[in-house]
Amino acid sequence: DVKVTQSSRYLVKRTGEKVFLECVQDMDHENMFWYRQDPGLGLRLIYFSYDVKMKEKGDIPEGYSVSREKKERFSLILESASTNQTSMYLCASTSDTEAFFGQGTRLTVV
Amino acid sequence: AQKVTQAQTEISVVEKEDVTLDCVYETRDTTYYLFWYKQPPSGELVFLIRRNSFDEQNEISGRYSWNFQKSTSSFNFTITASQVVDSAVYFCALSTAFGNEKLTFGTGTRLTIIP
Repeated sequence: DVKVTQSSRYLVKRTGEKVFLECVQDMDHENMFWYRQDPGLGLRLIYFSYDVKMKEKGDIPEGYSVSREKKERFSLILESASTNQTSMYLCASTSDTEAFFGQGTRLTVV
Repeated sequence: AQKVTQAQTEISVVEKEDVTLDCVYETRDTTYYLFWYKQPPSGELVFLIRRNSFDEQNEISGRYSWNFQKSTSSFNFTITASQVVDSAVYFCALSTAFGNEKLTFGTGTRLTIIP
């Protein structure tokens, strides 16, 4: 059973903290993505990666960075968390025909 | 730039009724892919269908059917004889790259099936 696993379902962090959201896929996919989902806005692409150590900005990269040291792992980093980064974060990896999503991490920044 | 519009924010129907979810897209590319995803309360997005821009044939899968019309830039999704388990948020999405790269999502339609 193919799987994209996000390390946490729920996180609560304080303003200014450095936050790491981890995503691991077991399908040997080259492409991985981070989206955030907000009510009324749908899913918006933050960053993506087509290969190890490679990253590209999506539509809303400000305030975020990523790390892809291994093919199976794609980490989203909030350098200094702010309340406007409270959201649901979804990781995805893709084959030629389908995107597989993790269950999401609901992050609350207080 | 690509854009996907799902004008229906929320829909409620009584169980066993048919329901259609609308999706309108914008792109200047001639090759593109359209998708529908289901997001149940658990939060994980479930892939439903992928259709490329050269294939306008309608598709039926059980109680689900999709109507792709390039003339109106629409890719509508119909559930026939709805069931409570169909309650979810449904997203339409567009990709203009090969495969599933860089999906542009609509804002989603929350469908509630009333028993």
